[in-house]
Amino acid sequence: VHLQESGPGLVKPSETLSLTCTVSGGSVNSGSYYWTWFRQPPGKRLEWIGYIYYVGEPHYNSSLKSRLTFSLDTSKNQFSLKLSSVTAADTAVYYCAGDDSSSSGWFYDLWGRGTLVTVSS
Amino acid sequence: DIQMTQSPSTLSASVGDRVTITCRASQSISVWLAWYQQKPGKDPKLLIYKASTLKSGVPARFSGSGSGTEFTLTISSLQPDDFATYYCQQYSDYCTFGQGTRLEIK
Repeated sequence: VHLQESGPGLVKPSETLSLTCTVSGGSVNSGSYYWTWFRQPPGKRLEWIGYIYYVGEPHYNSSLKSRLTFSLDTSKNQFSLKLSSVTAADTAVYYCAGDDSSSSGWFYDLWGRGTLVTVSS
Repeated sequence: DIQMTQSPSTLSASVGDRVTITCRASQSISVWLAWYQQKPGKDPKLLIYKASTLKSGVPARFSGSGSGTEFTLTISSLQPDDFATYYCQQYSDYCTFGQGTRLEIK
């Protein structure tokens, strides 16, 4: 299974950041993975944003929850992130990842290559 | 939120050295800890999970130990490919990462 992020590299303050992760070599609705988003501001630690599974409600980082929306598109085999009302603090490399649903916890062996999103006017 | 603190932040070492990185949790996380290696411009690579379980294919020179609030990652004999940044990640309560330890060539 491989993951690839896509989306604009530049977003204006107060606008909505939209990213998509395309899954290849597997099905987004197979139940094999919890589809997860992370971000990493330049020079800083990784931050868990949240996950979506093929059933049930998404789980969001409480600090971002009011601005976040996750979705699955089974026809395109993709999952997506929307983060509204962005500021410069949202500038980061955004990664999509997969948590194997058969594993014993939330650790990640499947990652996209990451995409840099800069928030600037 | 559970806070994760790594030490040192930067570590200078030579090929062949044995190095240890420490990760401390702000509260007990049992053994629910993973270690990752990240190189500049690349995604993180999983090395160890459940504190001490080596991911298949990861060289045996990497080892992890600990439980509760204190954990270590040890590289028994540094190889040139090991110079990178290492992160610990707890998954006892959602998911949080340490600030990273940059392992550089002395």
